Amino acid sequence: GQSLEQPSEVTAVEGAIVQINCTYQTSGFYGLSWYQQHDGGAPTFLSYNALDGLEETGRFSSFLSRSDSYGYLLLQELQMKDSASYFCAVRGNTDKLIFGTGTRLQVFP
Amino acid sequence: EAQVTQNPRYLITVTGKKLTVTCSQNMNHEYMSWYRQDPGLGLRQIYYSMNVEVTDKGDVPEGYKVSRKEKRNFPLILESPSPNQTSLYFCASSLLGTGSSDEQFFGPGTRLTVL
Repeated sequence: GQSLEQPSEVTAVEGAIVQINCTYQTSGFYGLSWYQQHDGGAPTFLSYNALDGLEETGRFSSFLSRSDSYGYLLLQELQMKDSASYFCAVRGNTDKLIFGTGTRLQVFP
Repeated sequence: EAQVTQNPRYLITVTGKKLTVTCSQNMNHEYMSWYRQDPGLGLRQIYYSMNVEVTDKGDVPEGYKVSRKEKRNFPLILESPSPNQTSLYFCASSLLGTGSSDEQFFGPGTRLTVL
């Protein structure tokens, strides 16, 4: 079957760096996306990797290794407002979009 | 303003009473999809559509129907709702085939309770 695995919870303090890993097993692969969801809100898009390597967008970076079926989201200079759930998602060759079960990030002062 | 809208935002209904949740986007996106979100299970795709009159099953399509008669609208239909369909539902849309991004734009969500 198709699945994405990510840790269920991560904690960190303000100003720290945290890495959220995602490993995937899918039929085909077009790219890996990351989404942020605050409690009570809708998911919002953070980043997309179709090719191996690191993509940087401000304090957030995302990495992909296609050969390892692995990616991660790196959050730097953590702020309280970064407390949220983070989801990785993969589009396979059927154009379905598969989401991971989410990683809840708690940032402490 | 570019957006995805869903209605209603909250709905409490009873088992067996047909209901429709509407979804509309104003960004001329080809791809639209419905997800349900349950605690610990993440977002699971119910149905998706690549364009008008083209729909396909996602991972959890049982008990749901969709239609795509116009590009902007993608309603979710529950012909005979059951309590196990109590969930938070999201509609999303995106462009297809950009290669550089796969950004899904999500609606605000519909919280459905089936008694």
